[in-house]
Amino acid sequence: QSILTQPPSVSGAPGQRVTISCIGSSSNIGAGYDVHWYQQRPGTAPKLLIYGNSNRPSGVPDRFSGSKSGTSASLAITGLQVEDEADYYCQSYDSSLTSLFGGGTKLTVL
Amino acid sequence: QLQLQESGPGLVKPSETLSLTCTVSGGSITSGSYYWGWIRQPPGKGLEWIGSIFYSGNTYYNPSLKSRVTMSVDTSKNQFSLKLTSVTAADTAMYYCARPKSGAYSKFDPWGQGTLVTVSA
Repeated sequence: QSILTQPPSVSGAPGQRVTISCIGSSSNIGAGYDVHWYQQRPGTAPKLLIYGNSNRPSGVPDRFSGSKSGTSASLAITGLQVEDEADYYCQSYDSSLTSLFGGGTKLTVL
Repeated sequence: QLQLQESGPGLVKPSETLSLTCTVSGGSITSGSYYWGWIRQPPGKGLEWIGSIFYSGNTYYNPSLKSRVTMSVDTSKNQFSLKLTSVTAADTAMYYCARPKSGAYSKFDPWGQGTLVTVSA
């Protein structure tokens, strides 16, 4: 089964920079399909954070950025803030005719 | 501003059918090239795409759930619906409706607040 692999957890101190990886395969990210990222704070619905690999919806701070290379993608958060503590998910299309989500990464702000 | 709201029973018995409805407000379900989708999240776990539907009725289902899923659109009520048959405890999850913005499999925005469905006798 096709999957997108994310680290279960990452952490950083306020003001620091953290990155979250999303590793796919030749049937999804590596095939050129876009990667999107979501932020999910506890008890709330996911919110679109990055779309089309590196684009921010209106209202998302420029501290959040996305990139893609080969079969993987990354989300970077600079100037870490307490309110960034949340779960983050990547998403991409897979040629098996499905939309895939990564397993999610819990960001802890120390 | 487009808003989505899920509704339906919070408790379903094993082997029965889970039925949920998503009501769209702030815009027409038929305007633009709009798809509509369902995503679920088991307690403490990650997100799983269930499927998407075009307002005209074309459907796109997760292959792993395809045999049990039916989605439909009611344009007169500005709603779309999900039916999942033969449920088991593994189908216990928060169910979200959302709009895939650029095609059946694309980025989802906005999302409804979600509704928790528990499968239990």
